[in-house]
Amino acid sequence: GENVEQHPSTLSVQEGDSAVIKCTYSDSASNYFPWYKQELGKRPQLIIDIRSNVGEKKDQRIAVTLNKTAKHFSLHITETQPEDSAVYFCALYQAGTALIFGKGTTLSVSS
Amino acid sequence: IAGITQAPTSQILAAGRRMTLRCTQDMRHNAMYWYRQDLGLGLRLIHYSNTAGTTGKGEVPDGYSVSRANTDDFPLTLASAVPSQTSVYFCASSGDRGETQYFGPGTRLLVL
Repeated sequence: GENVEQHPSTLSVQEGDSAVIKCTYSDSASNYFPWYKQELGKRPQLIIDIRSNVGEKKDQRIAVTLNKTAKHFSLHITETQPEDSAVYFCALYQAGTALIFGKGTTLSVSS
Repeated sequence: IAGITQAPTSQILAAGRRMTLRCTQDMRHNAMYWYRQDLGLGLRLIHYSNTAGTTGKGEVPDGYSVSRANTDDFPLTLASAVPSQTSVYFCASSGDRGETQYFGPGTRLLVL
């Protein structure tokens, strides 16, 4: 089945810095790539997504870029704040089944 | 509107016992999913259902079964629980395949 590699597994930044998380995949048929944020003890929640017909999407301080040729997509968070501290998961839709998730990145933003 | 609900919130279960985790959604979503979440392993798909009456196996289906008798409910059954099934279980739903998945609050299960 499809495999999604997510890096780094942990990321520590100072408040105000940028954070970048990258995911790679193998199935060229994938066309939907969401990112989820999970706070401690809570459910995963969608923060941004991108479909294969666009290369970049922004929503305030967060952006996602997609390179279908190289089969990777990345989450960019600018001007990080302590409340951005959480676990972030990339995912892609595996045709006919469900979202397949990366193993997650624990982001810590220190003030 | 509740969205997706799961029950129980948490459970301690003796090994060998049978357990059904309940999941109900009121969004009239066609597709529903069960994931388990373990530290360092992310969210792994157990079973899915693209529409009422159909189910499919995900990455880690062994020891689990599901049914989808109607649109709203998607119960997950552990026929004979084992300690390796200790995990947090999340149910999710989406309007159709390939659309945004919304997660329930999760069930924390401890098998002793």
